[in-house]
Parts: sequence; structure tokens; C-alpha cells
Amino acid sequence: DGGITQSPKYLFRKEGQNVTLSCEQNLNHDAMYWYRQDPGQGLRLIYYSQIVNDFQKGDIAEGYSVSREKKESFPLTVTSAQKNPTAFYLCASSPGGTSNIQYFGAGTRLSVL
Amino acid sequence: EDKVVQSPLSLVVHEGDTVTLNCSYEVTNFRSLLWYKQEKKAPTFLFMLTSSGIEKKSGRLSSILDKKELSSILNITATQTGDSAIYLCAAGWDSNYQLIWGAGTKLIIKP
Repeated sequence: DGGITQSPKYLFRKEGQNVTLSCEQNLNHDAMYWYRQDPGQGLRLIYYSQIVNDFQKGDIAEGYSVSREKKESFPLTVTSAQKNPTAFYLCASSPGGTSNIQYFGAGTRLSVL
Repeated sequence: EDKVVQSPLSLVVHEGDTVTLNCSYEVTNFRSLLWYKQEKKAPTFLFMLTSSGIEKKSGRLSSILDKKELSSILNITATQTGDSAIYLCAAGWDSNYQLIWGAGTKLIIKP
């Protein structure tokens, strides 16, 4: 089955701790994205990557870091510098080219203990 | 500044009603307008509209792009409780893969 897998579904962070959210895709898509969604708000872009070993900051990158060492994988680390990390995090991928369509994983809900 | 604005932000209707959701955009080098449905988790893709495909229909859902007015509507006829969701609109640029997202319309269908 082709798709995007995010794990874990739920994650709790203690103060001062870094946590990493996993995102894996087997769609052979070039581009991958991380979004943050807060209640009543749309999707805000954290980071995106159009190719392996390259990524760019989105609108709200502060307190987050990413890597893209493999085409299939785009993990997001929420660092202790992110003071308000409680949110729903969505990973997406896109084939790129002339298509703007993005396909999403099921999301990770992060809460602070 | 590029932006996408959706209206209304929330809407409550009864089963069987027809609803129209609105999306306006101001995007430099606009290429496409996308609609997604989000229930509990992942947004699922509904339609993509471009200058070469300004009208799309799938069952009870249909969407039109008005490039003159820089807007799009999503129509749902004969609504069902399963249509309850957040509907997201996004606009894409010509030169990269990013999308700019609206805040969404929360649609509640009452039995």
C-alpha cells in the first residue's frame, strides 16, 4: 500500500526535552513538508524539502529542525527552544513537477506534560 | 502579501441542505486552487482547479474557479452527516511546490 506514515500518533514532551516525529513515504515523491495545525487555524508550514539533502524554512521554523538524508524520510525534531509545541503536526509529500497536490499522513498530536 | 481567505469560518446546516463554501486568493504567479476535506486526521484531496480546468464535479460535490474574481466555491448538494468536516482551500504557485492555506470552514451537518 502506497502512502505516508507518521509516528507516533500521540507524543508527550517534558519541559526541556527534544522530541522527534517520524514521517516516511513510499510514493517516490520528491517533495516533503511539515505543517503545524492549531485549533481554528489552517496549516502553517514549518519546513519543506524538494530534494534529498536540501530543505528550506517555512513560515514558523523557529524551534524546529529537520533532515532529509533519504528520499523516503523527513523527520521533524521539536526542540526545547519551541516554547509552545502543543499542536497537531502533519507531514505531506508531493510529486512536484506541474502538480501542486500534496498528500498527507495521519498526523501526530504533540502535548506538553 | 500572498494570502488565501475562506468564508464562512463555520456553518451549521441540516441534512439535505445545499451548502456553498467560499475561497478567495491573492497569490503571485498563481497556478492552482485546491480543496481538501479534513475529518479527524489527515486532509484528503478533493479537487484541483487550474486555468485549464476551472470546473470539477464528483458526486454531490462540485467546485468552480473564477480567475477574474480570484475566487473559488465548493458546493455540496443533498448534504449528509458524513459531510461534517473542516474544508480547506489552498493556492499553489507556478514556480515551486508550496501551497498557501486558508483557515478552513468548519461544516456541521445536523440530522
